[in-house]
Amino acid sequence: SAVISQKPSRDICQRGTSLTIQCQVDSQVTMMFWYRQQPGQSLTLIATANQGSEATYESGFVIDKFPISRPNLTFSTLTVSNLSPEDSSIYLCSVRGFTTNEKLFFGSGTQLSVL
Amino acid sequence: GNSVTQMEGPVTLSEEAFLTINCTYTATGYPSLFWYVQYPGEGLQLLLKATKADDKGSNKGFEATYRKETTSFHLEKGSVQVSDSAVYFCALSSLGGGADGLTFGKGTHLIIQP
Repeated sequence: SAVISQKPSRDICQRGTSLTIQCQVDSQVTMMFWYRQQPGQSLTLIATANQGSEATYESGFVIDKFPISRPNLTFSTLTVSNLSPEDSSIYLCSVRGFTTNEKLFFGSGTQLSVL
Repeated sequence: GNSVTQMEGPVTLSEEAFLTINCTYTATGYPSLFWYVQYPGEGLQLLLKATKADDKGSNKGFEATYRKETTSFHLEKGSVQVSDSAVYFCALSSLGGGADGLTFGKGTHLIIQP
């Protein structure tokens, strides 16, 4: 199994600022994903973080708002830019390992509140 | 597109009661189906899965059977415990190789009272 460290666990930010969330895995993984869980809603896939290339974004999510980096096979960051109260959500990192093809492991999430 | 519908919560039960959390799905092709659980303060964990019709996933006393004819994957447990209190998510993956992420239901908050 993969152990995921996601930081910060929670933050309170001012409108117009940005927050960068880090996801560190204890082993190399093939796929890394970023999800958003809005209050009372399901998890929604934001993007797939690709190692060494631009992330693949889902419909409704754009790079200018959610820039993602993945410099290697164990680390990724998600930045939520130009924050507004509507961005208040839980953001989750998830990974899929080399040997467990369909099994996803999740970080504990980052709870973001925007004032 | 793909979608997952699960029963609204919270669901409140007494200890040792029988649990059913309904989940139905819409997908093209032959999806794999999952139940994830999120205990308070923790990340989501895979509870069980089924990859083809009539498969039964089971773990920790929980079971779910992949019913293609009714497009359902209901979660059941015969006797719940207080420690089962958590949020349960039904999900599907429509690509057998798992190249993309999952489509999740909204989650069902389960509360077990002693």
